[in-house]
Amino acid sequence: GQQVQQSPASLVLQEGENAELQCNFSSTATQLQWFYQRPGGSLVSLLYNPSGTKHTGRLTSTTVTKERRSSLHISSSQITDSGTYFCAMKGGGSAKLIFGEGTKLTVSS
Amino acid sequence: EAAVTQSPRNKVAVTGGKVTLSCNQTNNHNNMYWYRQDTGHGLRLIHYSYGAGSTEKGDIPDGYKASRPSQENFSLILELATPSQTSVYFCASADGGPDTQYFGPGTRLLVL
Repeated sequence: GQQVQQSPASLVLQEGENAELQCNFSSTATQLQWFYQRPGGSLVSLLYNPSGTKHTGRLTSTTVTKERRSSLHISSSQITDSGTYFCAMKGGGSAKLIFGEGTKLTVSS
Repeated sequence: EAAVTQSPRNKVAVTGGKVTLSCNQTNNHNNMYWYRQDTGHGLRLIHYSYGAGSTEKGDIPDGYKASRPSQENFSLILELATPSQTSVYFCASADGGPDTQYFGPGTRLLVL
């Protein structure tokens, strides 16, 4: 079945450093989203980016559909960015979102 | 902002007992989803629905049933709960097409 792989599994940064999160998927994605989960919290959609480059605030996502990969860049990380970031994809007209296992980001002062 | 609520927020159940998790959304979204989240597994789709009266099996449907009696409500039913079903359960809704999913706050279920 469709699979989504994220790397790294965890990332520790000092405040102010940039973060680069990667997502690779096994089949053509018609929808690609990045979600954020605060520890013990629910998921919040960050960016919907099925192709190309999208920006919001300090976040930039680049998706190269034919290479089946997407990245999320967080610039000037802050302590409040700590949490888990999930990549999720849909493919082929399905209503199902397939999630990766997440990247746990820890930002310290 | 889309609103998805879940009840109960926490539940302790006994093995073999029946558990019903409820989800309500107030944004008239067509699609609703139930996921479980376990450490090391991310989110896994249990059941989903395209609208009132419809339910579809997700990737891990065994041991679970779903019910969508109305546009707003989507329930997940564990007829015979087992300890392996101890997890955090999330409900989500979406309007279909290229849009985002809105997640509820989650339900922590402990099956003893």
